[in-house]
This record gives sequence, C-alpha cells and structure tokens, in this order.
Amino acid sequence: GAGVSQSPRYKVAKRGQDVALRCDPISGHVSLFWYQQALGQGPEFLTYFQNEAQLDKSGLPSDRFFAERPEGSVSTLKIQRTQQEDSAVYLCASTLQLSGTQYFGPGTRLTVL
Amino acid sequence: GIQVEQSPPDLILQEGANSTLRCNFSDSVNNLQWFHQNPWGQLINLFYIPSGTKQNGRLSATTVATERYSLLYISSSQTTDSGVYFCAVVSAAGNKLTFGGGTRVLVKP
Repeated sequence: GAGVSQSPRYKVAKRGQDVALRCDPISGHVSLFWYQQALGQGPEFLTYFQNEAQLDKSGLPSDRFFAERPEGSVSTLKIQRTQQEDSAVYLCASTLQLSGTQYFGPGTRLTVL
Repeated sequence: GIQVEQSPPDLILQEGANSTLRCNFSDSVNNLQWFHQNPWGQLINLFYIPSGTKQNGRLSATTVATERYSLLYISSSQTTDSGVYFCAVVSAAGNKLTFGGGTRVLVKP
C-alpha cells in the first residue's frame, strides 16, 4: 500500500480482556517498530522486527504484551488481560533500512475501562 | 540511553509569525526526524535530517550533529500549523526512535 495502515483505529476493552492490534507496513519495508503513546507524551518504543525476527523487545512493559510478524510483513501486537494503564495510542512504523526514515501509521487508540 | 529535549514546550503564535523550535540530544545519532502530530494523532514526517540543512516550503530544518542539536523553522505560520512537533533520534548504537517531549504549537488567526 501507499502507507502504513493499522486496524482497528479505535478499540474499547473491558479490563481483563485480550486485544489484538494489526499493522500493515509499507510494502518491501524490512524493519517494523511498535511504539506506545500515552496522553500528552511522546511515543515510546515497545519492540522492533527485522523481517520476521524480533530483534529487540526491551520496551514491552510486561509479559502481557506480545508481538509477532510471522511472515515478515503484517505484524500483530497482542495485549493479554488488559489493564487501565494500557490505555494509550499504539503506533506502528516501518522503514526500508534501519537508520532510514521511519513512516508511521495512524495508530490504534486503546481505551481500557 | 540517549536523551532528547525539546524547547519551548508550548508556543502560541499569531498567524503570519515566524518561529524556531529546538531539539537537543545527548549522544551521536544516525537518524534525526522531525514530525508534526496533527489533532487526529497522525505523525506526519517533516524532515529526515541527521545532519545539514533542508527546506520544504515554509518549513526548514538544520542539524548540527557535532554540537548535538537541531532546529526547526516555521515561517509565515498558518492555523494549520497548529499541533505538536516532535523531534526523534536513533542513537549511533541503536535502532529505535527516541522522542523528545514535543513542542505544542497554537497558531491563532
């Protein structure tokens, strides 16, 4: 596609539910990143893939967060047993080469009630 | 890890005014990007500028890598320039973008 797409755009979950957020990177982009943006703050790194390999997951806040990219294109961020503190915008970015321009999707706004 | 500081945190401008936003970073970088986050939350790429100077219409940016800072210039501001401007860097040893706290810009008609 022309840009990075994410779905759903909005998600409301009850505390304790599991959620899955999808990212479609720009076609041919090898590297894919997930970031979390809390209200009023800058995005913060969660995890990074190069093709299907998850090379850095140091930003995942707990073991309830899990990300995968099984075929090296689409990625899914899964949050198990959601908590209120998980409420945030989850942003996905992709880039052709590691130090190149990162292009961001529109984000998924997650609200946990 | 690398630290990124942006100033000022807030900026109110009259339409037509010029402004300068600053980004300081604490270590060598391979990547520096400026973004505009619009009211709908979309992060729009403005510049990829790990060093040097670039211009795009009314916007321009300069990065002095040896002194670890970057500047974003907005000239003849318009109400559509309102939003949050983020500077983000990738350290020389890293892969992820580290964002500054942003500058919130409001342009009044």
